[in-house]
Parts: sequence; C-alpha cells; structure tokens
Amino acid sequence: DAKTTQPTSMDCAEGRAANLPCNHSTISGNEYVYWYRQIHSQGPQYIIHGLKNNETNEMASLIITEDRKSSTLILPHATLRDTAVYYCIVRVARLETSGTYKYIFGTGTRLKVLA
Amino acid sequence: DGGITQSPKYLFRKEGQNVTLSCEQNLNHDAMYWYRQDPGQGLRLIYYSQIVNDFQKGDIAEGYSVSREKKESFPLTVTSAQKNPTAFYLCASSISGSSGELFFGEGSRLTVL
Repeated sequence: DAKTTQPTSMDCAEGRAANLPCNHSTISGNEYVYWYRQIHSQGPQYIIHGLKNNETNEMASLIITEDRKSSTLILPHATLRDTAVYYCIVRVARLETSGTYKYIFGTGTRLKVLA
Repeated sequence: DGGITQSPKYLFRKEGQNVTLSCEQNLNHDAMYWYRQDPGQGLRLIYYSQIVNDFQKGDIAEGYSVSREKKESFPLTVTSAQKNPTAFYLCASSISGSSGELFFGEGSRLTVL
C-alpha cells in the first residue's frame, strides 16, 4: 500500500502561511491524496483532497507535484486555532472489489501556530 | 443532524473481558471503518466494510471482530485475545465513489484495568 511520510513537527507564526509537506512516492495513478487534521484526540476533520490537479477550498490549498510523489498543504493565514496534528492520507483501492477503498494514515505533522 | 455516533465515549474493562464499541451513522454511507489510535501516534486501520454482510481486515485486525448486519451500524468487539487493547478507537464512514471523504465520529476511549 502507498505510504506517506511527513515531518514530525513544525512551527508557524500567526498570520503567516503554513506549508506542510508530504511524501507519497509509491502512490499509484488512481489513488487520491487527502488531508485531515486532528485537535486534541477529537475525530479527525477533513480539509481537502486531490488526485492530480492543485485544489483550493475555504480552508486550504493543496499542491500536488506533477509526478504525484509529493504534495504540500497550504494554510494561507494560520491562526492559533490551526494548531493541530495534520495527516496526509492516501486512499487505496481494494483490487478484489470495485468501489472499496481504505484510507492509509501516516504519523502526521504536529503544527504549532505561535502568537 | 446527520453524523456518526460512537458509544460509549469512555469505557473501562478488566483483562480477559470482551467489550463491544458501537458505531451508528445516519449519513446513508455505504462504507464504514474502524481505526485505532495510540498516544502520540497516527491512526491504524482495524476493519472496514463496503456493504452489508461484508467486511475486510485492515492492518491490525488480530484480536478484534466486527459485524455489518445493517447499513447504518458497524460495531467493533475488542476480544480478550487483543494483547494491548487500551487505546482511542475511531469509527468513520464514507460515500462510495470516485472521491468520497471520510467522516469521523468523536471516538471511544477504552482503558483496560
């Protein structure tokens, strides 16, 4: 299964952009990349996902390299409430059953936004 | 409101006892998942199910069992065979399709005394 590698922790100044990298060098052509965040042992919260193209929503932007081996989540103006663990996830298809997927989590990046 | 409900939120059990964690969703999602999270660690997949009466083992299925008798319910039983059951358990669901995102419950924290 495709796996993800993320830095263990990062700091970011409040109001600045937070750029969180993720390596997924073994990803297959039809596997999506998802980003979630988790605040203090709550259920993870969906942020954004993509396949090949860059994506943007009200929370963040996702930049995927052309070879799809890595991606970057961008929080454009980080606030203190963005302090959380951020997970980069690859969704893997189960070949035996069409339409069945499993989501493989990495160990995540602990982002600390500093005042 | 639509969502995923996990119960109980906190659970204590003695060694050697089986315990069942409940997960119910009213989102009409086909797929459901169980993850385990240990302190300071990421989420590891225990079991997942795409349709009723069918489920697959994840990466750490040993010592756990599940059932999927109804679309909206996916209970997880932590058996006495699970050597280190103390953990935070998260249930999730998703729509089948090309890019369905995961929706998570609030989790159940199991402590073995």
